[in-house]
Amino acid sequence: ETGVTQSPTHLIKTRGQQVTLRCSSQSGHNTVSWYQQALGQGPQFIFQYYREEENGRGNFPPRFSGLQFPNYSSELNVNALELDDSALYLCASSLASGGTYSTDTQYFGPGTRLTVL
Amino acid sequence: QKEVEQDPGPLSVPEGAIVSLNCTYSNSAFQYFMWYRQYSRKGPELLMYTYSSGNKEDGRFTAQVDKSSKYISLFIRDSQPSDSATYLCAMSEQISGGYNKLIFGAGTRLAVHP
Repeated sequence: ETGVTQSPTHLIKTRGQQVTLRCSSQSGHNTVSWYQQALGQGPQFIFQYYREEENGRGNFPPRFSGLQFPNYSSELNVNALELDDSALYLCASSLASGGTYSTDTQYFGPGTRLTVL
Repeated sequence: QKEVEQDPGPLSVPEGAIVSLNCTYSNSAFQYFMWYRQYSRKGPELLMYTYSSGNKEDGRFTAQVDKSSKYISLFIRDSQPSDSATYLCAMSEQISGGYNKLIFGAGTRLAVHP
């Protein structure tokens, strides 16, 4: 069983640029969530993808967008980068049962550290 | 007021000590409670997962949930230097439609010295 993987490990961008981060979910998982973790803080929920659609979003502006592919891998795109976007971006995968409520456990990848200069 | 409050520490203890880590929360709808361990520059690793009130034990780790007080704890017995990490509490509520987001505390930095 392979765990959650993310690429790249580190990334340096300048203000105003765009960035794409990638995530491969754990084998057998069908749901991907993205979190932003600023230095010294806990992760903050960005959004979640299930069946290739966004099914939940946190308090992040529209310049944060994502995709989920048929193989359940995912991308996080951030446009018009700002200095405050510097953070560790975490991807978490889980297996949604497809029922009315989700009680699935989320497993995290190692993260991508983004620095915006 | 944050939904989840967690003392950031740092907490420094000698090897073999019993460690107590705590979080309080304000949202009474939270029903699922988790503890994650995060080593420096790594992703969070799930340690414990509990549903509703009560205790759960796994090896040297015990998780407690008191929903009446909106208070959760993680106890580490016989702490080891390898337990030195940041411990994050996380919780979520049942939301219709299969959507599940975790709300995290800020994390407590723990250092176990030999």
